[in-house]
Amino acid sequence: SQTIHQWPATLVQPVGSPLSLECTVEGTSNPNLYWYRQAAGRGLQLLFYSVGIGQISSEVPQNLSASRPQDRQFILSSKKLLLSDSGFYLCAWRATDRWDQPQHFGDGTRLSIL
Amino acid sequence: AQKITQTQPGMFVQEKEAVTLDCTYDTSDQSYGLFWYKQPSSGEMIFLIYQGSYDEQNATEGRYSLNFQKARKSANLVISASQLGDSAMYFCAILLYGQNFVFGPGTRLSVLP
Repeated sequence: SQTIHQWPATLVQPVGSPLSLECTVEGTSNPNLYWYRQAAGRGLQLLFYSVGIGQISSEVPQNLSASRPQDRQFILSSKKLLLSDSGFYLCAWRATDRWDQPQHFGDGTRLSIL
Repeated sequence: AQKITQTQPGMFVQEKEAVTLDCTYDTSDQSYGLFWYKQPSSGEMIFLIYQGSYDEQNATEGRYSLNFQKARKSANLVISASQLGDSAMYFCAILLYGQNFVFGPGTRLSVLP
């Protein structure tokens, strides 16, 4: 069966520090991968998605970036965090054999910027 | 662009009763999928149920069912026999062919003992 791992679960970082959140998927190949951000009590905002290695699409311009160095690895990064980067970050994967497959989410990372 | 509306920011239901969470969508496409997710306070997003636009039968998964009314562009989630563990945020989402998911703002469900 397929599983998705996302870490760390919680992160507290000072303003201006770098960021690296990692997400890996097991049990499937060539998935679509996604990074979302969720403000407290709000809906999901799509940040990045990837349909293959090295292919990244950005939905929202910001100081974050994403990379997909391997088929089942998705990384969210920042060189200098802002206070507004605080939030709950979710990674998700979706199979591509049929277009109407659901997204499956990791457990999320709670990021607090001080 | 497609849009998802969930008009109920919060809902209360008594344990063991049924509850309906509303979801309406706006698209001119004929082919699309509708999804419901549950997000407990721990944060993970759990996929609950799917309805395809061409499905003639309403989807059901255990205690979850969809009241799909295509002409009215609504896909309401019905939870039967509510349990305390059903207390969570619930998100409706639409997927059009070749595009990404669009999520609604969510409804917070509280199940009362």
